[in-house]
Amino acid sequence: KAGVTQTPRYLIKTRGQQVTLSCSPISGHRSVSWYQQTPGQGLQFLFEYFSETQRNKGNFPGRFSGRQFSNSRSEMNVSTLELGDSALYLCASSLGTGSNQPQHFGDGTRLSIL
Amino acid sequence: AQSVTQLGSHVSVSEGALVLLRCNYSSSVPPYLFWYVQYPNQGLQLLLKYTTGATLVKGINGFEAEFKKSETSFHLTKPSAHMSDAAEYFCAVSQTSYDKVIFGPGTSLSVIP
Repeated sequence: KAGVTQTPRYLIKTRGQQVTLSCSPISGHRSVSWYQQTPGQGLQFLFEYFSETQRNKGNFPGRFSGRQFSNSRSEMNVSTLELGDSALYLCASSLGTGSNQPQHFGDGTRLSIL
Repeated sequence: AQSVTQLGSHVSVSEGALVLLRCNYSSSVPPYLFWYVQYPNQGLQLLLKYTTGATLVKGINGFEAEFKKSETSFHLTKPSAHMSDAAEYFCAVSQTSYDKVIFGPGTSLSVIP
């Protein structure tokens, strides 16, 4: 069974640009969550999608957005990139929504802003 | 508001020695508790979780953790460290099954041969 796939693995952008990251969950998983990981702030929850609906949202500005498609694949978009957006972005999928469901993480997309 | 603290951002143990990684949480209700491990350049992997029931939880790779409500703790232990245990470990909490998961700052474990 294939794991969670995140593309691309590495990305370099400049300030002011926008970026779209992709996450393909494990087959049959309907919930996808996104996290930002930085050395200074650690792991911070961005948002969770279940059945194409955003179920939960963290404390990030509106520049960070996401969506989920009918096949459960998810994308997150960051507009007007800032230096502070440099981070490892992790996606996790689970069968259903709710934290009692085990989350399976992808290897992440490392985003560097120049 | 729920939060998680992990005492010690870096822990070093000798190969074969006991591993003890500390986690304390704050939550207004009995929480769901998790330990995850992250190897370099990889995502997180669930080691174990506590939801309800038995307070001693056994996980993968020989790790276990005990939920102590009176101490608001969920420390992770392993009797004998292996070199392959060197990684970053994260404790996490969720107040209910429908809340987002809050992660602690992580503890980097080094294993000395």
